[in-house]
Amino acid sequence: EAGVAQSPRYKIIEKRQSVAFWCNPISGHATLYWYQQILGQGPKLLIQFQNNGVVDDSQLPKDRFSAERLKGVDSTLKIQPAKLEDSAVYLCASTGTSGVHEQYFGPGTRLTVT
Amino acid sequence: DQQVKQNSPSLSVQEGRISILNCDYTNSMFDYFLWYKKYPAEGPTFLISISSIKDKNEDGRFTVFLNKSAKHLSLHIVPSQPGDSAVYFCAASELSNTGKLIFGQGTTLQVKP
Repeated sequence: EAGVAQSPRYKIIEKRQSVAFWCNPISGHATLYWYQQILGQGPKLLIQFQNNGVVDDSQLPKDRFSAERLKGVDSTLKIQPAKLEDSAVYLCASTGTSGVHEQYFGPGTRLTVT
Repeated sequence: DQQVKQNSPSLSVQEGRISILNCDYTNSMFDYFLWYKKYPAEGPTFLISISSIKDKNEDGRFTVFLNKSAKHLSLHIVPSQPGDSAVYFCAASELSNTGKLIFGQGTTLQVKP
């Protein structure tokens, strides 16, 4: 079974530029999560999708961050415009079958904003 | 307000000995707890979990203990191996809610040969 795929793995941009990250969850997983992990901290949930609907986006900075999961499979997370404090690893995770609570994470995208 | 805390940023243990990683939480609504391991440049990988109806769960060398009255859980690794060297994250979830995970800050474990 293929794991969660993310791209790109690394991205360096200047502040005020825009950036997009892509995630393809494990096949059949209905729930998809985007997390932000700042150096020295644990992952923090940005947004949770159930199929193509948003379940929780309470911690997503909506003035600059957006995310979509149009067909209920892969997802994109966008930042526009980026700030220095957005430098972090962006992790995508998925979980699926009823009764399974563990989330499976992709390798992440390391974003550096200069 | 940090709902899940790992107060030890790092831990160093000799190979073959026991590693004990600790985690405290404040939200009494949490009913499911997980431990993840993370190697550099990789995403976190699920290690072991425990439901709030249990006080212990064991999987090979890994055992998680839950003390609900103290709002404390711990991960025991016996015996520790050099390959266990990684960052360990404790996470908590409220399954009746959205099931989202709240993570601690992580503890870096170094197992010395």
